[in-house]
Amino acid sequence: DQQVKQNSPSLSVQEGRISILNCDYTNSMFDYFLWYKKYPAEGPTFLISISSIKDKNEDGRFTVFLNKSAKHLSLHIVPSQPGDSAVYFCAASDGAQKLVFGQGTRLTINP
Amino acid sequence: SQTIHQWPATLVQPVGSPLSLECTVEGTSNPNLYWYRQAAGRGLQLLFYSVGIGQISSEVPQNLSASRPQDRQFILSSKKLLLSDSGFYLCAWSVFSEAFFGQGTRLTVV
Repeated sequence: DQQVKQNSPSLSVQEGRISILNCDYTNSMFDYFLWYKKYPAEGPTFLISISSIKDKNEDGRFTVFLNKSAKHLSLHIVPSQPGDSAVYFCAASDGAQKLVFGQGTRLTINP
Repeated sequence: SQTIHQWPATLVQPVGSPLSLECTVEGTSNPNLYWYRQAAGRGLQLLFYSVGIGQISSEVPQNLSASRPQDRQFILSSKKLLLSDSGFYLCAWSVFSEAFFGQGTRLTVV
């Protein structure tokens, strides 16, 4: 049972435009959500997070939005840069310190 | 500052051979420790997590086991590897909800 889903395996965006990556979850006990970025043959690195008491968190070019009623979160990257090309993973935690990840979305930024 | 060490970076093992991947964390106490496997189409699959010495939770039935002999040491093992055990294995630690990952081990079972 995939509790965290990223339904788009890949996304291609032109440099300078906005990249929007989506994530859906099924477990209503999840109360903390994170986005990670991963390059090939490396471990994921933390990008940004959001607590369930918020609906938006912003850090520079990265903004995460949370819609609890829809069990949906999204990551916005504005403006997109070539170095943003990577696989992005959405993750959720239920407070028991167990982190569950989605399948990942491969983002390609085209010059 | 906290660091996480995972080794080896790559490993080629024959079917039926044993496996031992080690992960150690520095600069923190009593971290939660995790083993993940990255598989095509399944993202980062949680294999095991541990909230303390000797406490291991298994998420997926499989040919692997994990142990935590010390507070900051987490070991992934197998007695007999299968071809399907090939993949990219990642160790991670967290104190609160945010997790920090090692560089990963690319395991190829031949």
